Amino acid sequence: GAVVSQHPSWVICKSGTSVKIECRSLDFQATTMFWYRQFPKQSLMLMATSNEGSKATYEQGVEKDKFLINHASLTLSTLTVTSAHPEDSSFYICSARSPDRGLNGYTFGSGTRLTVV
Amino acid sequence: RKEVEQDPGPFNVPEGATVAFNCTYSNSASQSFFWYRQDCRKEPKLLMSVYSSGNEDGRFTAQLNRASQYISLLIRDSKLSDSATYLCVVNKGGSYIPTFGRGTSLIVHP
Repeated sequence: GAVVSQHPSWVICKSGTSVKIECRSLDFQATTMFWYRQFPKQSLMLMATSNEGSKATYEQGVEKDKFLINHASLTLSTLTVTSAHPEDSSFYICSARSPDRGLNGYTFGSGTRLTVV
Repeated sequence: RKEVEQDPGPFNVPEGATVAFNCTYSNSASQSFFWYRQDCRKEPKLLMSVYSSGNEDGRFTAQLNRASQYISLLIRDSKLSDSATYLCVVNKGGSYIPTFGRGTSLIVHP
């Protein structure tokens, strides 16, 4: 089945630094990837939709200059949290729609737990 | 009104019980519906898609009511391993962009 590899699994960084999270589709081409953020006991909130070869589409309230998304190839999308602050600490997760499932579902990366100190 | 709404629970049931969750959605143009399962600190995993005619997978039954804009998940003969958060997912207004409910927590106890 379709697999999405996400890393790092967890990262601790200092305030003001930047962190890059990678998501790779291992056995399929992901023309679109979704980036979510999940705070404890909250739902996954869509941050942006990443399209290969074009600019990402950000949801309302998400700062595009703070959360940089690059989807330069059909198998790789990256999210960079710039100038991270403690309030950015969260669980970040990517997802791609699996072509082998047609309309049936999305494959998720394993998530990245970011802690900003 | 939120796009996708779920009762967060928790639903605390004994092994062997039958439990049902509902989820309502606001966009009548939504086309695709899913139930995902998320274990603590893990990524969501597809449990089953939801079809208009209703569908069953072992102990799990999913149903869709377009008129009332809700979907349901029924779990029969609950197992301890069913303890998790169940996420209702609806595609966003006819596109393939998924929107998640906040999830319903299920705790199955001995």
